[in-house]
This record gives sequence, C-alpha cells and structure tokens, in this order.
Amino acid sequence: ELKVEQNPLFLSMQEGKNYTIYCNYSTTSDRLYWYRQDPGKSLESLFVLLSNGAVKQEGRLMASLDTKARLSTLHITAAVHDLSATYFCAAEYGNKLVFGAGTILRVKS
Amino acid sequence: NAGVTQTPKFRILKIGQSMTLQCTQDMNHNYMYWYRQDPGMGLKLIYYSVGAGITDKGEVPNGYNVSRSTTEDFPLRLELAAPSQTSVYFCASSWSTEAFFGQGTRLTVV
Repeated sequence: ELKVEQNPLFLSMQEGKNYTIYCNYSTTSDRLYWYRQDPGKSLESLFVLLSNGAVKQEGRLMASLDTKARLSTLHITAAVHDLSATYFCAAEYGNKLVFGAGTILRVKS
Repeated sequence: NAGVTQTPKFRILKIGQSMTLQCTQDMNHNYMYWYRQDPGMGLKLIYYSVGAGITDKGEVPNGYNVSRSTTEDFPLRLELAAPSQTSVYFCASSWSTEAFFGQGTRLTVV
C-alpha cells in the first residue's frame, strides 16, 4: 500500500529565508503532485513531476523528484508572506492519488 | 470552463439522516475521486472511479456509497450520517497528468 509522508508538518520561517519541504513515498509511484491550499479553500495544483530527475520551477517555488530515493522536495527561495499556506504532496499509484498530511507554512515579516 | 462542480457547499445533517453530495465535471475525465479532509489533516481517499460503471474503495469507504452512471457525474451517498462524518469533502477528476479539485462541501453532522 502506498504511503506518503511529509516533513516538516509545520514550518515557520522569516521572510527572505530559504527552506525545503520533503515528501517521501513508500512504493513506486507513477507521478508526484504538489498542491497548495489556502484556509477554507480548495486545492490548487502547483507541480506535476513525471520522471526521475524532473525539476520544475514557478516563481519562488521549485520542485524536484528522485524516484530512486522515492523522494520529492519543494524548495522555497526567499520566502514572502504570500506563500503562507498548506502544501501537500500526493503520489499516484495505479488509479489512486494518495496525499501526505500537509505542511503548514507560515512566513513571518 | 466550469471544471469540477460540487453541491452543496455547506450542509448540516442530523445523526441518522442521509444525503447525497453531488459532483460533476465537464472535462471528459475518466478518473474521479472523493476525498475527505478533517481539520488540520491531509486528504483521505473514500472512493474512486476509473470510468463510467466502475468504482472502487479507497482508504476510508465505510459509511459511504458511490455510483458512476455517466462520465460527468460521481455522487457520494451517506446513508446514516454519524458525527464522525463531519468533515470537508472534496471531489476531483483527472486525466493523464493533472488532477482538478472542486471547491468542497463542508458537512456537519449533529
């Protein structure tokens, strides 16, 4: 059974700092997703990673995938307050999309 | 494009009542999913479907039923509501490389 673990679960960081969220998954996955969720809102797709070594960047966020290590990372560069949200990774296996518990990110001025 | 539409947005049920959460998508996606999200938690898969007429259980199916008579619609049925089913429910659809989520239904069982 596919299990997805994220860490940290809570991250408080200063504006301008860099940090990385980690996503480990337990079995081979077809693809890896990153989502953002603002309080009381639905999930917004950030990245879809399809293959080993895939790297995608959008603004201050960069996601990468290492299928051999079964690890994806979401790197935040020079954080700004607008990035405060909950970030989820999700791994796809067969027909199922399995989510991690989420990382609550708070960026302080 | 409407994308994935869920109704209702909010609902309060009494214990033992039943209801159907509606989900429809207009993207002709074969894959559809129902998730629940408890406060401060991740999403847990309830049921999923890979096409019309085909459904399967996810991680937490007890107390729920689904049907998929058309590609567009994937309703979730609660037969005997219990307080443990108080949650936010998300429907999603996907094809190939991306999954799209509805806006969610906030359900409270009292």
